[in-house]
Amino acid sequence: NAGVTQTPKFRILKIGQSMTLQCTQDMNHNYMYWYRQDPGMGLKLIYYSVGAGITDKGEVPNGYNVSRSTTEDFPLRLELAAPSQTSVYFCASSYLRNTDTQYFGPGTRLTVL
Amino acid sequence: AQKITQTQPGMFVQEKEAVTLDCTYDTSDPSYGLFWYKQPSSGEMIFLIYQGSYDQQNATEGRYSLNFQKARKSANLVISASQLGDSAMYFCAMREGGSNYQLIWGAGTKLIIKP
Repeated sequence: NAGVTQTPKFRILKIGQSMTLQCTQDMNHNYMYWYRQDPGMGLKLIYYSVGAGITDKGEVPNGYNVSRSTTEDFPLRLELAAPSQTSVYFCASSYLRNTDTQYFGPGTRLTVL
Repeated sequence: AQKITQTQPGMFVQEKEAVTLDCTYDTSDPSYGLFWYKQPSSGEMIFLIYQGSYDQQNATEGRYSLNFQKARKSANLVISASQLGDSAMYFCAMREGGSNYQLIWGAGTKLIIKP
């Protein structure tokens, strides 16, 4: 099993550009999450999904959008990129809610110039 | 107020020694879970160990154990017989039972194992 995969690994955007970060998991997990990690900090939740067709905002959703059309895929869309969105983005998934472990993808390092 | 506090920004430890990484948490929810993750320099997040608030015994996973002191609201990670490959950032995180599935993260501790 590949687990959680993310593409791209690195990206440089200009201010105002848009892009989609891809996330796919092959563990049949119901729950998926997008986090951002700023330098020297822990992770902050951007959006999450509890199943196909269901998404909700996390702690820092502004400037981002998500969709979940299938169990496997949970893309994160950045519209009108800003320097404040320079960060490392992690996608994660988990099966059950409470005692479950969240399994993380390798991350996407995004720089907005 | 910080919900997860990791007071040690960095630690140096001699190889083969035991290491304790501190984590204190703040919640009024009686149902919660505590997680520790390792982030090596390559950047991925690796799950290490989980402790539920109702678990009677401290969690253990190989060389990792969690020193869970509920009354003190602390959940320290203990790594026995440290190895060079243990050098990494370590994050403590909490999920509250009534939360929107969110993990709340500490700022992390950078652990460096000296040969």
